[in-house]
Amino acid sequence: ETGVTQTPRHLVMGMTNKKSLKCEQHLGHNAMYWYKQSAKKPLELMFVYNFKEQTENNSVPSRFSPECPNSSHLFLHLHTLQPEDSALYLCASSQGERLRRGPPYEQYFGPGTRLTVT
Amino acid sequence: AQSVTQLGSHVSVSEGALVLLRCNYSSSVPPYLFWYVQYPNQGLQLLLKYTTGATLVKGINGFEAEFKKSETSFHLTKPSAHMSDAAEYFCAVSDHRQAGTALIFGKGTTLSVSS
Repeated sequence: ETGVTQTPRHLVMGMTNKKSLKCEQHLGHNAMYWYKQSAKKPLELMFVYNFKEQTENNSVPSRFSPECPNSSHLFLHLHTLQPEDSALYLCASSQGERLRRGPPYEQYFGPGTRLTVT
Repeated sequence: AQSVTQLGSHVSVSEGALVLLRCNYSSSVPPYLFWYVQYPNQGLQLLLKYTTGATLVKGINGFEAEFKKSETSFHLTKPSAHMSDAAEYFCAVSDHRQAGTALIFGKGTTLSVSS
């Protein structure tokens, strides 16, 4: 148990559905991340929120829409997905960064949501 | 741009044997380097990291890694494998585009341990 929870753990959705993934961290962190983990490919960073502000959108298609209402919660809203979007979606959190450049803080990962798009 | 290459997508060892998982990086600035482990149906967990200072870094579960700048390598080792070490291992380098937060991961190496 890392202090980062994700729901649901498994999700099957059609291409026309709208669903949301939820991530919650109980570690007092101020930075949260969404990663996509596909088979045979490196872990891909999707979005970064630092003190509730989005600081990174790694060329993610608009059918993925993140939301960070507070430092403890992160959502990923999904709509009109494609079969190639099927993957494990991982959430992570860390201490937040304010301007300082230096070694990154440790990221703590949730168990992931296994998404299958049919 | 920074990148990470993990040589060998799958490594098999016998219980008690040496574990060696290879990682090479590319970075135009001094890198921060990490090894993460992922057990089945779980998220990633930090094994160890190199930021500055001593080039031999010790982590959890008996793993260690050595930063070799001349070889641009950060290989992960463990003297004696246990069955519980079977997992997927990811090497990562810090992305300096961000203020020290984002990581760039390799494709991962699956470690199998046989009795």
